[in-house]
Amino acid sequence: DAGITQSPRHKVTETGTPVTLRCHQTENHRYMYWYRQDPGHGLRLIHYSYGVKDTDKGEVSDGYSVSRSKTEDFLLTLESATSSQTSVYFCAITAKGGTGELFFGEGSRLTVL
Amino acid sequence: AQSVTQLDSQVPVFEEAPVELRCNYSSSVSVYLFWYVQYPNQGLQLLLKYLSGSTLVESINGFEAEFNKSQTSFHLRKPSVHISDTAEYFCAVSVSDDKIIFGKGTRLHILP
Repeated sequence: DAGITQSPRHKVTETGTPVTLRCHQTENHRYMYWYRQDPGHGLRLIHYSYGVKDTDKGEVSDGYSVSRSKTEDFLLTLESATSSQTSVYFCAITAKGGTGELFFGEGSRLTVL
Repeated sequence: AQSVTQLDSQVPVFEEAPVELRCNYSSSVSVYLFWYVQYPNQGLQLLLKYLSGSTLVESINGFEAEFNKSQTSFHLRKPSVHISDTAEYFCAVSVSDDKIIFGKGTRLHILP
C-alpha cells in the first residue's frame, strides 16, 4: 500500500469555524491532489499540487485553500466551513502527474452542522 | 477544459452476463484516460488506463476498455461479470496540465 495518511479521519464542526485536513505521504511523490466525494457527484477535484509551493485550482476550489511547504504534506483548509462542505475528502498522490496511477488515502469524513 | 460524462448512474446486470459501462469525455487536446474502481467501504484503485498505443487496454481481472477518438469514448466492458465485481466504477481523464478529472461514477449491481 502507498504510504499515504489523512488526518483527521472524522470531524464534526460547526458552520463558520475553520478546518484543516492534512495529507501526509512517505512516497516522495511530486503530485498531490484533494478531491471531495459526494453522492451523485462522484469525485470532484478541489486543488492539486505539482511540487513544493506549487499549487493550482481544480473544479470546485471556492471556499478552500491549500498549502504545500514540504514534499510530504499537503494541507486543505476551509477558512469558514459551511454545510455544503459536508463531504468525504480524499487525498491522492502520484509520481507522474496526469499520466500516473493515483494512490488514494482512506478519506476524511467532515460534517458541518 | 476537459470533462467526463458517465451516462449511467447505476447498471444492474445478471451474474455471468456481459456488461458495458459508458464513458465519454470532452477535450480539445490529447487525453489520458483511466478507469478506477471503488469496492464497498474501500478507497479507489486503478483498474486500467490508456496513455498511447493500442486503443484496447485490459485489466488483470477480465475488464477491457477501448479508446475511440472519433467518438470521444472510453467504454468499459466485461464479457461475464461475477458477484465480486459489485462496485462503483469511475472514469477519469487528464490532459497536459496534470489535472485529473473524474466522472460521477456508475454503480454496478450484480443480480443473482
